[in-house]
Amino acid sequence: ETGVTQTPRHLVMGMTNKKSLKCEQHLGHNAMYWYKQSAKKPLELMFVYNFKEQTENNSVPSRFSPECPNSSHLFLHLHTLQPEDSALYLCASSQEDLAAFSTDTQYFGPGTRLTVL
Amino acid sequence: RKEVEQDPGPFNVPEGATVAFNCTYSNSASQSFFWYRQDCRKEPKLLMSVYSSGNEDGRFTAQLNRASQYISLLIRDSKLSDSATYLCVVNAGNFNKFYFGSGTKLNVKP
Repeated sequence: ETGVTQTPRHLVMGMTNKKSLKCEQHLGHNAMYWYKQSAKKPLELMFVYNFKEQTENNSVPSRFSPECPNSSHLFLHLHTLQPEDSALYLCASSQEDLAAFSTDTQYFGPGTRLTVL
Repeated sequence: RKEVEQDPGPFNVPEGATVAFNCTYSNSASQSFFWYRQDCRKEPKLLMSVYSSGNEDGRFTAQLNRASQYISLLIRDSKLSDSATYLCVVNAGNFNKFYFGSGTKLNVKP
């Protein structure tokens, strides 16, 4: 399935590095999300973008910086991360129906497995 | 109180068994409900949406009980390939707010 793609699939970085995660959705959706999934924990919502506008920042530390240049692309810029930031970072997209005030289901990318040394 | 709660399991069942999971949600205004499946080290994938009238897809049946605020997933004739973690997901009715349970792990054994 190639509805939502993420690169890179694996990333190892030091605490002083700067890197970016990329997500692209090919489903024509208008909302995109970043989630964090740590070992043995539920998914944690990080950011939500609706029509390229950030509508949710779930108290995420500033060392994570999202960017949404258009409805199909979403980035997560990383800098000065901590070892506890090691996790699976998942991107998802969905279609918002403004008239019905409803949200269709989310589709996830394969994730980026991040290790911070 | 968590928005969505699930029994983490694991549920260890033999092939061919019937197994059921429940999931409770706290927000009575919740509007959309889903079951996702997540294999080890993979992304969650939609298994089925849950409708008020209940719905069935092959060996899988989902039910919604609004009065008691829970949804259920029934798997009949379990296969080895059903081994995974099953995530309960609730949309609270306001845009983009999806709440995920911590998942229920299922192990189907030969």
